[in-house]
Amino acid sequence: GIQVEQSPPDLILQEGANSTLRCNFSDSVNNLQWFHQNPWGQLINLFYIPSGTKQNGRLSATTVATERYSLLYISSSQTTDSGVYFCAVERGYNQGGKLIFGQGTELSVKP
Amino acid sequence: GAGVSQSPSNKVTEKGKDVELRCDPISGHTALYWYRQSLGQGLEFLIYFQGNSAPDKSGLPSDRFSAERTGGSVSTLTIQRTQQEDSAVYLCASSRPSGGATDTQYFGPGTRLTVL
Repeated sequence: GIQVEQSPPDLILQEGANSTLRCNFSDSVNNLQWFHQNPWGQLINLFYIPSGTKQNGRLSATTVATERYSLLYISSSQTTDSGVYFCAVERGYNQGGKLIFGQGTELSVKP
Repeated sequence: GAGVSQSPSNKVTEKGKDVELRCDPISGHTALYWYRQSLGQGLEFLIYFQGNSAPDKSGLPSDRFSAERTGGSVSTLTIQRTQQEDSAVYLCASSRPSGGATDTQYFGPGTRLTVL
């Protein structure tokens, strides 16, 4: 099956710093989503981004489907950005939307 | 409702007992998914419902696991004869209909299951 790899596995930042999280996938995908899992376990949608670039406030994401990777950028990080960031992909058209998740990047932002 | 809701939020049970976990999707969302998150396995797909179509059960780990969706809305995940390896957070998600493609999945807060 398709493999989803995220890097780095862990990241510690000082408040105000910028960071880039990466998601590589082993085959063509129909859809890709980025999630933030907060310290209470809630998975929050960040981006639905099968291709192209999107921005939402301090966060932006880029997916280059032809090269099988996606990047999540966090600028001017805040302590509330702490948590685990997951990338998830859907294997192919009409695969029912079941998401295959990467192992996540655990981010800790220090004040 | 405003989001996907799940109940109970926590469930502690003894090995061998049956448990039922409930999910209320966002109103109007025809697609419903169950996933589970455990330390050793990460986040993994269990089962998918879309409208009146037969569910995709390809992720269910054993025949002790089953799920149903009544009236195209609420779903119940049942685990029979629970084992300690079933301990995990069970997450439900829903999404809108979008033709042949898929749409953003919205997740509930999860049910933390502990099997003693």
